[in-house]
Amino acid sequence: QQQVRQSPQSLTVWEGETAILNCSYEDSTFNYFPWYQQFPGEGPALLISIRSVSDKKEDGRFTIFFNKREKKLSLHITDSQPGDSATYFCAATSGGNYKPTFGKGTSLVVHP
Amino acid sequence: AQTIHQWPVAEIKAVGSPLSLGCTIKGKSSPNLYWYWQATGGTLQQLFYSITVGQVESVVQLNLSASRPKDDQFILSTEKLLLSHSGFYLCAWSPGGDEQYFGPGTRLTVL
Repeated sequence: QQQVRQSPQSLTVWEGETAILNCSYEDSTFNYFPWYQQFPGEGPALLISIRSVSDKKEDGRFTIFFNKREKKLSLHITDSQPGDSATYFCAATSGGNYKPTFGKGTSLVVHP
Repeated sequence: AQTIHQWPVAEIKAVGSPLSLGCTIKGKSSPNLYWYWQATGGTLQQLFYSITVGQVESVVQLNLSASRPKDDQFILSTEKLLLSHSGFYLCAWSPGGDEQYFGPGTRLTVL
């Protein structure tokens, strides 16, 4: 059972555009949602995260929008840069259970 | 600042041979430690986690084992590799909260 779903599987945008990556989940006990950025051959890096008590989290060009009622969240990358080309993973966990569930990832390509 | 080191960077091993992968975290005492496996182009699957020295919890059964011999060290091993063990092995740590920080990974190829 896939508890965290990501869409689209791949996304291509032009430099300067806003990339929108979507994530949804099923388990209502999930309350912490990190996004990871992974470049080929490297370990994932924690990019930004949000807790379920918030509906928005912003860090520079990266913003998470969270809808608890619909169990959906999205990552917006504004002014996309070629260096943002990577795979982005959405994850979800219930606080303190040590076992986050990861989505299958969205592969983002930003063309110059 | 905390640093996480994994060794080796890459391994090519034969089916049926033993394996030992290592992970060390410096700059943080008593971290929570985790092992993940990632197939090429795939998602991250947690294998083991450890909250304290000497205690390891298994999350999935993949004919692998893990040990935590020291506060800052996490070892992943098996006595007999399978083709299905090929992939990218990632160690991660957390300070005790929900955030997890990944290491650079070890690429394993089983032939």
